[in-house]
Amino acid sequence: QKEVEQDPGPLSVPEGAIVSLNCTYSNSAFQYFMWYRQYSRKGPELLMYTYSSGNKEDGRFTAQVDKSSKYISLFIRDSQPSDSATYLCAMETNAGKSTFGDGTTLTVKP
Amino acid sequence: DTAVSQTPKYLVTQMGNDKSIKCEQNLGHDTMYWYKQDSKKFLKIMFSYNNKELIINETVPNRFSPKSPDKAHLNLHINSLELGDSAVYFCASSQERGVDEKLFFGSGTQLSVL
Repeated sequence: QKEVEQDPGPLSVPEGAIVSLNCTYSNSAFQYFMWYRQYSRKGPELLMYTYSSGNKEDGRFTAQVDKSSKYISLFIRDSQPSDSATYLCAMETNAGKSTFGDGTTLTVKP
Repeated sequence: DTAVSQTPKYLVTQMGNDKSIKCEQNLGHDTMYWYKQDSKKFLKIMFSYNNKELIINETVPNRFSPKSPDKAHLNLHINSLELGDSAVYFCASSQERGVDEKLFFGSGTQLSVL
């Protein structure tokens, strides 16, 4: 079993939809949680960085961490075609051990 | 049967030393990368190789030299290590699939230069 499981997708939604991207993990030592967005043929860019359980909002993006369920989500409100990309979750322990999910490819259709 | 494996996981060394980080992928991918993750978790691409040929070489000090003996391996050698080199370095690979080019990451190497 992988330490981090991410819904593989691909995910296709109409413009304006609410998108939910999810990852589960098995290592309870993970303390830091990141979401990266990767456009085609570009490197991943950091979208959200959270520590511990709870919600963090940044514009149309909300990152949610539920440590008790070992589950993290990224919500995108009012999705736009420019949100079409691959989204990667990543997690890190206090000791600096990081693990990435395999990514979910999202397409937002106009 | 780890897809992308890099060693070592942790590397603590003195300034001025030379060190190498190794990366291997068993996914049959054509392209491999080295990324540097800073303390704020931003990922910055350093190098990319496609079928053993260098295709991306970002503004990185020439103390960093990648070596790809074959398409399944991409090693990173660092000469004369400096304090600012302390970071987590990630190896990754991908297979060109048109617009769907997913990256698969190794578990990272945490480099601490003292």
